[in-house]
Amino acid sequence: DAGITQSPRHKVTETGTPVTLRCHQTENHRYMYWYRQDPGHGLRLIHYSYGVKDTDKGEVSDGYSVSRSKTEDFLLTLESATSSQTSVYFCAISRDQREQFFGPGTRLTVL
Amino acid sequence: DQQVKQNSPSLSVQEGRISILNCDYTNSMFDYFLWYKKYPAEGPTFLISISSIKDKNEDGRFTVFLNKSAKHLSLHIVPSQPGDSAVYFCAASDGSGGSNYKLTFGKGTLLTVNP
Repeated sequence: DAGITQSPRHKVTETGTPVTLRCHQTENHRYMYWYRQDPGHGLRLIHYSYGVKDTDKGEVSDGYSVSRSKTEDFLLTLESATSSQTSVYFCAISRDQREQFFGPGTRLTVL
Repeated sequence: DQQVKQNSPSLSVQEGRISILNCDYTNSMFDYFLWYKKYPAEGPTFLISISSIKDKNEDGRFTVFLNKSAKHLSLHIVPSQPGDSAVYFCAASDGSGGSNYKLTFGKGTLLTVNP
């Protein structure tokens, strides 16, 4: 299995609070991604990174920001959480942008 | 506009029989296709992939078929086992841009293999 961890694995927070999710990899892969999974929607890309300090938006980026200050860490921040951001968040990594390997996920509940 | 479609939300098969999961796509620029398996409370696991220059790729019990003219791919699992019960996602990527191409996922098909 690819060395990907996500923290926290579960989080409950209140509307309006900031939240940061962390993805950590030990594979030294260049590409990293954040997805959310919701019933009836499959996996949707939030943001991705193609190198340190190089990031771009995905299809559902509104309300989210990311940062990547070193190869192994990719942070996803919800500046002011809303109930619509209750979801399961997955980080993925890729060496060549073809096969992506996923972390275990973070279940976020915004009350 | 959904570019990758899995029209069957669920599929139920008997153990030992063949499972066939289908996926259709609309973007003719997609040139690489993947299948992922996902168990509850776990991340998706890469299963098998196929490049658009091929029409078949096989890995053990899993075979993916690609029909480019129909913009259709399928995953065959033979023989099906109860442990194959999971949600299966089809995904596709467009490598024509030269950089930073991303995966587009279907909504998934829940496969249940009955003992």
